[in-house]
Amino acid sequence: NAGVTQTPKFQVLKTGQSMTLQCAQDMNHNSMYWYRQDPGMGLRLIYYSASEGTTDKGEVPNGYNVSRLNKREFSLRLESAAPSQTSVYFCASSPGASGSHNEQFFGPGTRLTVL
Amino acid sequence: AQRVTQPEKLLSVFKGAPVELKCNYSYSGSPELFWYVQYSRQRLQLLLRHISRESIKGFTADLNKGETSFHLKKPFAQEEDSAMYYCALRVMGNTPLVFGKGTRLSVIA
Repeated sequence: NAGVTQTPKFQVLKTGQSMTLQCAQDMNHNSMYWYRQDPGMGLRLIYYSASEGTTDKGEVPNGYNVSRLNKREFSLRLESAAPSQTSVYFCASSPGASGSHNEQFFGPGTRLTVL
Repeated sequence: AQRVTQPEKLLSVFKGAPVELKCNYSYSGSPELFWYVQYSRQRLQLLLRHISRESIKGFTADLNKGETSFHLKKPFAQEEDSAMYYCALRVMGNTPLVFGKGTRLSVIA
C-alpha cells in the first residue's frame, strides 16, 4: 500500500515549456487535490476533484489544468510554465465522505523550478 | 470565505520548555479542524484533529469556539518536534482543507 505517489520528484523547466505532474492513490479515495507550497504562503489549493469525473478550481488555478483520469489518478498540467510557478507541488487524497472529519493524505511532493 | 491564521512564522523554544502554536479561524459555523506536521523534506502528515480529542506525540489542541481558536500545545518540547506545523479547517461536508501559512517550530538543545 503505497498511499499517494507523485512523479517526478524534481523537475527543471524553461519558461514556456509544458509538463504534466502525475499523482496516483491506491486507497480507493473519492477526492483528490493539488496544492502548491511556497515559503510564507503555506499550502494553497490549485484544483480539486471531489469525485471521479468532476474537477473544480481552488484558490490559485490560473496557469494550470487538471485531469481526473480515473478514480486513482489526478494529473496537473502546466501548459506554458512561468517562473512564478516555481514551487513544491503536493497531491493529496481523502475518502470524500461528508461529515466524517476525513483526513487528507499527502504525496511526497514535486519540486519544480522554472527558469 | 473561510480563513485560517497562524500569527507566528517562526517559533523558537528551548528543549523542555512548553510550546504553544497559535491558530485562529474565521467561520461562522461548526468547522472541522486539523493540525498537520511536515518534518524536513517529508510529506505532510496529520498530527491530530479536534474531533478525536487525543494526544499525539505529547501534543494536544482544544477547539475554543468562543475565541475561534485551535491552539496546539505541548508541555515539554523535544528536539524531534522541530518541523513545520500547519493548522487546517474544513467546513462541514466534502470540501477541501483550507490551510494556514504555517509556523516553523525550532527546538533548541
